[in-house]
Amino acid sequence: SAVISQKPSRDICQRGTSLTIQCQVDSQVTMMFWYRQQPGQSLTLIATANQGSEATYESGFVIDKFPISRPNLTFSTLTVSNMSPEDSSIYLCSVEEGYTGELFFGEGSRLTVL
Amino acid sequence: AQRVTQPEKLLSVFKGAPVELKCNYSYSGSPELFWYVQYSRQRLQLLLRHISRESIKGFTADLNKGETSFHLKKPFAQEEDSAMYYCALHGNQFYFGTGTSLTVIP
Repeated sequence: SAVISQKPSRDICQRGTSLTIQCQVDSQVTMMFWYRQQPGQSLTLIATANQGSEATYESGFVIDKFPISRPNLTFSTLTVSNMSPEDSSIYLCSVEEGYTGELFFGEGSRLTVL
Repeated sequence: AQRVTQPEKLLSVFKGAPVELKCNYSYSGSPELFWYVQYSRQRLQLLLRHISRESIKGFTADLNKGETSFHLKKPFAQEEDSAMYYCALHGNQFYFGTGTSLTVIP
């Protein structure tokens, strides 16, 4: 099973600033997923990070707000840009190993925007 | 539209009592359904998937296509079952319910 390291685990940020979250996987994976979990809400897929190509964003999420990098098969970053209090959330990195349908998750990054 | 509904945000049962966590889904194709669990201070992890028809930690879940449900059941709850449970549907992506927080009272 894939082991995912995600950092920072939590941060408190000022409005208008940007924060980059890193996700490191201990094995090579084709796709990495970024989720957002707002308080009391479900996990919502932000985008799928593909190595060697631009990320695929879901409806309601745009590259200018959530730029993603995927420089290799084991690493990805998600940046939350120009943050507002509405961006306060847990951000989760995830991978699907093979085609098992099983997702492996990082520990999450809890972001609070003041 | 794809959707997963977990009607109960909070559920409390006594140790040894049966527990059922409800999940209903909406999906036009043939669904793959999963239950994920998050124990305190741990990351989200797979509990079980409908295609394997396994019992994991005493939990089972049966896919009922007629009622579009995938309820999670355990006949005798244990304290270590206290956790957050998410029902998920795998279509063109994963769709998660809002989760049910289960507390097993000693």
